[in-house]
Amino acid sequence: AQTVTQSQPEMSVQEAETVTLSCTYDTSESNYYLFWYKQPPSRQMILVIRQEAYKQQNATENRFSVNFQKAAKSFSLKISDSQLGDTAMYFCAFNGRGSTLGRLYFGRGTQLTVWP
Amino acid sequence: NAGVTQTPKFQVLKTGQSMTLQCAQDMNHEYMSWYRQDPGMGLRLIHYSVGAGITDQGEVPNGYNVSRSTTEDFPLRLLSAAPSQTSVYFCASSYLFSGRDEQFFGPGTRLTVL
Repeated sequence: AQTVTQSQPEMSVQEAETVTLSCTYDTSESNYYLFWYKQPPSRQMILVIRQEAYKQQNATENRFSVNFQKAAKSFSLKISDSQLGDTAMYFCAFNGRGSTLGRLYFGRGTQLTVWP
Repeated sequence: NAGVTQTPKFQVLKTGQSMTLQCAQDMNHEYMSWYRQDPGMGLRLIHYSVGAGITDQGEVPNGYNVSRSTTEDFPLRLLSAAPSQTSVYFCASSYLFSGRDEQFFGPGTRLTVL
């Protein structure tokens, strides 16, 4: 079975600073995707960044980047130059390409608050 | 292109009532799914479908039924609502074999069962 663990229920950071959200996962599959989704107070789920397991290079999207450690099954999200609009719940998610094709497994989320 | 739409946005039911949450997508995605979100639990998969006529159970299927008669629609039925089904429900869709695997989410339905 696939499991995703986010060990930080809440985090806070000052505007313009950098923050890292942690995520670990467990799987026996060799080919999969990992995602970070953002859920602001509007409740809409927004894709922040994705990583393909077979790619060694860490994904980046503007101020968002990941540290993907495949052997350690770790997938952390770094937010640089934090902005007030980054305040949201962040979910780490796993999508296998084997028998669980298409299914997303989510962590329990990290509530990030950015303060002025 | 409306993406994934869900209706209603809010619903209040009494214990024992039945209802259907509607979900539609206009992106010709093969894969559709329903999740429920409860505080501190993340999103958990209820049911999913890999194409018209094919559905399967997810992690928390009890008390819910689904069907997929068309590629576009994937309704979720609550047969006899219980307070434990108070939650926020999300529908999502994606391609299965595009190589991107991004799931697109609807805006959610907040359901309260009294």
